[in-house]
Amino acid sequence: AQKITQTQPGMFVQEKEAVTLDCTYDTSDPSYGLFWYKQPSSGEMIFLIYQGSYDQQNATEGRYSLNFQKARKSANLVISASQLGDSAMYFCAMRETDKLIFGTGTRLQVFP
Amino acid sequence: NAGVTQTPKFRILKIGQSMTLQCAQDMNHNYMYWYRQDPGMGLKLIYYSVGAGITDKGEVPNGYNVSRSTTEDFPLRLELAAPSQTSVYFCASSLGLAGVTDTQYFGPGTRLTVL
Repeated sequence: AQKITQTQPGMFVQEKEAVTLDCTYDTSDPSYGLFWYKQPSSGEMIFLIYQGSYDQQNATEGRYSLNFQKARKSANLVISASQLGDSAMYFCAMRETDKLIFGTGTRLQVFP
Repeated sequence: NAGVTQTPKFRILKIGQSMTLQCAQDMNHNYMYWYRQDPGMGLKLIYYSVGAGITDKGEVPNGYNVSRSTTEDFPLRLELAAPSQTSVYFCASSLGLAGVTDTQYFGPGTRLTVL
């Protein structure tokens, strides 16, 4: 079974609008971490935001926030006030013990 | 502070050739990782290391070897290259914090084509 599922292969959003990228996960371990990475067309992987399974509040980093719903096992990334430079692939990942497991990604395109 | 560096950026190999992908980090991180990313897919873990002299297999280790003689360097060796190894290879490192809060930082990647 997939450990990390990103069901949206592609998303479009207009500049300055907010967008939510979905991520669901599957684990029986009570201790885990959830990460989002951005991969622009240049190819590098850029760390965006982290949420721990025991964190009481949703993580936020500037225009990025993570909508963490533990009972539903979802960790959606919300990007507020989208910018053209946000166009990229976005990967959700889960950490169990020493390893990161990645989803297949969502391609976000921001249009003017 | 260069972070995680990888060489080469691009390489074309013939079937059966061997090569070493280099990875170095200057952040004094204990943990290092090698991933591969096939077109349209997420990253899959090949090997990882929790410290000098210690390595362990990830999800897709077949056809690869690693060594970790220093904290800074973590080379990945491909023996007898096959077309199935055509991919983009990423090296990453992390501090090695206990628990799950340990953020990984990635190098720029090596694009490898095997013909």
